[in-house]
Order: sequence, then structure tokens, then C-alpha cells
Amino acid sequence: NAGVTQTPKFQVLKTGQSMTLQCAQDMNHEYMSWYRQDPGMGLRLIHYSVGAGITDQGEVPNGYNVSRSTTEDFPLRLLSAAPSQTSVYFCASSYGVTGPKGEAFFGQGTRLTVV
Amino acid sequence: GIQVEQSPPDLILQEGANSTLRCNFSDSVNNLQWFHQNPWGQLINLFYIPSGTKQNGRLSATTVATERYSLLYISSSQTTDSGVYFCAVPSGAGSYQLTFGKGTKLSVIP
Repeated sequence: NAGVTQTPKFQVLKTGQSMTLQCAQDMNHEYMSWYRQDPGMGLRLIHYSVGAGITDQGEVPNGYNVSRSTTEDFPLRLLSAAPSQTSVYFCASSYGVTGPKGEAFFGQGTRLTVV
Repeated sequence: GIQVEQSPPDLILQEGANSTLRCNFSDSVNNLQWFHQNPWGQLINLFYIPSGTKQNGRLSATTVATERYSLLYISSSQTTDSGVYFCAVPSGAGSYQLTFGKGTKLSVIP
């Protein structure tokens, strides 16, 4: 049971390049989400999904795209990287929202630098 | 939206000392988690504690939902306890988004 797995752990991009951050979970969780962590800003929600085929925007969605074709995978796409997207990205998953199902588990993070 | 405040923002402890970290939140919640972000950046689940008290080794947590606060106790601190401790609650009723506090940065010195 690997939990939530993110790849890559580190990435450097040039402005304008595109890339996909991968996230996979093996806990059969319905809910998956992407956060970014910036100094002084805490963790902010980018996009989330409540099940395969269903996604929605979070607090800071601009410049990012997601899809959820399977329960296990939830990739995050940067369409045209900008220096403002330099951040640490975390993927999270949970069974649901409330009760014991609401406990969220996080991946190890991807540190992205855009130059 | 819900506000989450953590105190103190910074804490320096001698190894072996005890500490209490506090998390206040502005609205009623049915979900509260404590995380430890280690020096390598990983977010480690400590407790899922919407109410009551839980203990795990040297760590314990208490949430008093009616008074809108939670406490994390660390006893006999070790250098490996260093890092940032976050509490997080749902952003609203039924919300899938977690709102995090700004964290308490703990440094345990030998």
C-alpha cells in the first residue's frame, strides 16, 4: 500500500513550457485534490475531483488543467509555465469529506521551479 | 470563509522539553487534522480529530469543537520533531477544500 504517490519530486521548467505532474493513489479514495504551497500563503487548493470524470476548480485554478479518467490517477497539467507557478505542489486524497472518511492523505510533494 | 489561527508561530525547545501548540478556528467544523511537515517537506498525518482526545506515543491532541480550538501536545521532544506543524479544517460545511493554518515552526535543539 503506497498511499499517494507523486512524480516527479523536483522539476525545473523554462517559461512557456508545459508539463504534467503525476499523482496516483492506491487506497480507492473518491476524492483527490491538488494544492500549492507558497511561503507566507500556506496551502491553497488548485483543483479537485470527487470521482472519475468529475473535476472542479479550487481557489487558484488559473494556468492549470486537470482530468480524472480513473479513480487512481489525477494528473495536473501546467499549460504554459510562468515564474509565478514556482511552488511546491501537493496531491491529496480521501474517501470523502466528513467523519472518518474525511481524513486526507498527502503525497510527498513536487518542487517546481520555473525560470 | 473559515479562519484558522495557530500559535505560537515559532517555538524553540531544548531536547526533552514538552510543548503545547494551539489551533483556533472561527466556525464549527466536523473534521480537523494535524500534520507535521518535516524538514524534507513531506506532510505527515498526525491526527484526525474532529473532537475528543487521541494519543500516539509522545504526541497527543485534544479538540474542543464547541469552543473552536484544538491542542497538540508534544512530550519529551526530540530533534526529529523539528519542522512545521499545521492544523487544517474544511473551508465550509460539506466543503472538500481544507483551510490550513499558517503553522507553528518547531526547532528542537540538542
